[in-house]
Amino acid sequence: EDKVVQSPLSLVVHEGDTVTLNCSYEVTNFRSLLWYKQEKKAPTFLFMLTSSGIEKKSGRLSSILDKKELSSILNITATQTGDSAIYLCAMDYSGGGADGLTFGKGTHLIIQP
Amino acid sequence: DGGITQSPKYLFRKEGQNVTLSCEQNLNHDAMYWYRQDPGQGLRLIYYSQIVNDFQKGDIAEGYSVSREKKESFPLTVTSAQKNPTAFYLCASADSPNEKLFFGSGTQLSVL
Repeated sequence: EDKVVQSPLSLVVHEGDTVTLNCSYEVTNFRSLLWYKQEKKAPTFLFMLTSSGIEKKSGRLSSILDKKELSSILNITATQTGDSAIYLCAMDYSGGGADGLTFGKGTHLIIQP
Repeated sequence: DGGITQSPKYLFRKEGQNVTLSCEQNLNHDAMYWYRQDPGQGLRLIYYSQIVNDFQKGDIAEGYSVSREKKESFPLTVTSAQKNPTAFYLCASADSPNEKLFFGSGTQLSVL
């Protein structure tokens, strides 16, 4: 059973639109939630959210962690074609050992000109 | 420049053949990881290593092997026992376990 669930799995919008990507997780002893952007090959780090840092913002991108709802959203405002990518959500939780992050399946975002 | 280098970018495997994917990092990171990415499946953990000469199986280790003889290097061998090896393989490292991961550019493995 998937511990990290992302929705939607794919999304097509027009340039200039605002999008919201969702990530929910199914463990309560989590330590952090991370967002990555994968344009072609290597995922690049966007944000890390923890109990002490539940909201992060960088330019047009922002992310919020809702610990009560066990979920996070990634917002992108005024989208550009360069935002087209797969957005990956990943979770680290205590009890999972030092075995890296547990990833969701990703949201494939396409921005049309 | 510091980073993670994976090679080759593309690799073809014949049936019954073992192939080795290279991963080298100069970030001085202790922890290194191998993930497999299939379309629509996200990233799944194959093996990880927290320290030199030690490594642990991930969720899908069957048909794969690794070594960690040097801090900088964490090669992955895809053995003939892996019946469905076609996938995109990503290597990652972290300063310490469960910190944010830095990824290489990946190796696309295909079967001839």
